[in-house]
This record gives sequence, C-alpha cells and structure tokens, in this order.
Amino acid sequence: KAGVTQTPRYLIKTRGQQVTLSCSPISGHRSVSWYQQTPGQGLQFLFEYFSETQRNKGNFPGRFSGRQFSNSRSEMNVSTLELGDSALYLCASSFPDADVTFGSGTRLTVV
Amino acid sequence: AQSVTQLGSHVSVSEGALVLLRCNYSSSVPPYLFWYVQYPNQGLQLLLKYTSAATLVKGINGFEAEFKKSETSFHLTKPSAHMSDAAEYFCAVSEDFGNEKLTFGTGTRLTIIP
Repeated sequence: KAGVTQTPRYLIKTRGQQVTLSCSPISGHRSVSWYQQTPGQGLQFLFEYFSETQRNKGNFPGRFSGRQFSNSRSEMNVSTLELGDSALYLCASSFPDADVTFGSGTRLTVV
Repeated sequence: AQSVTQLGSHVSVSEGALVLLRCNYSSSVPPYLFWYVQYPNQGLQLLLKYTSAATLVKGINGFEAEFKKSETSFHLTKPSAHMSDAAEYFCAVSEDFGNEKLTFGTGTRLTIIP
C-alpha cells in the first residue's frame, strides 16, 4: 500500500514568489492535514481538510492556504514568500478513527 | 488549550542502556497522546499511541510508554538502546483519536554512544 506522497521533495523559491505543494494521501484516506516544521518554532499545525472542506485551521497568516480535491489529494499554497517561510512542510492523511500517517515532506527554501 | 512539554532537547545514552524520554501534557479533556520518531530528512513515524484503552502502551521497535494521570506524564522508554534508535522523538497530543490537529512538543534528539 503506497504511503503519503508529497511533491516536490525540495524546492527553492525567491522572496515574493508563490509556491504550491502537493500531497497525495493513502488510498481511502479522506482527511489531509498540513504541518510546518522549522528549527525555531518546531512542528506547527497549518490546516486540515476532510471531504474537500477545511475542518481545522492553525494560527498562520492568510498567505497560507490549501484545498482538497474530490479524490482527496491536497495542495497548499503560500503566496508572497518570506525568508521565514523556509521550512519542511509535512502532509499527513487519515481515515476516520485511524492513525495519522505522515509523508516525507517538502523542504522549501526561500532565498 | 492542550500542550505537551518535552524535558531535555538532547539525550545521550550508551548502546544497550535504558532510554527514557520525558513528556508531560496539559489538557482540559482526557487526552490522546502519541510518540513519533523522525529520522533525518524524513517524515514522522508513529511509535505508539494512548487512547485510554490501557495505561501501559507498547509500540514498535521495542518502545513503550506509560500514561500516568496523577503526574500528567507519558514518558517513552526502551530497555536497551540500539544504534538505530538515534533520531528525533516528538510527543504529541490531540483532543480526539483520529483528529489530525496534533499539538507537538519541541522534540528530543536521541544520540546513542557506541
């Protein structure tokens, strides 16, 4: 059974640009969530989607947005990138009442 | 609001020695507690979880954790450390099992001394 797939694995962007990260959940999983991991702030919850609806949202500015498609695949977008957005972005998926499974992450570097 | 506190950002133990990683939680409702491990340049792997079924929880790779409500703790232990245990370990809490809004601790980097 394939795990959670995140693409791309690595990304370098320039300050002010926007970026879109992709996440394909485990087959059958309907819930997808996103986390940001930085050395300074640790692991922080961004948002969660279930059946194409945002169900939970963390404390991040509106530059961070996401969506989920009918096949449960999810994307997150960061607009007007700042140097502080450099981080490992982790996606996780879950079926109701099942373990949360994480992908390997996308490492974003903003220069 | 829920939170977890991990005591010790770095822990070093000798190969074959006891591993003890500390986690204390704060929650206004019965918590669901988790330990995850992260190897370099990888995502998080679930080691074990507490969902109120049993206070002593056994996980993968020989790890276990005991939920102590009186101490609000959920410490992770392994009787004998192996070189492959070197990684970063995160304690996390959520309000509901299956709730993907996890609140993580700051992590403990475990080093194994040969």
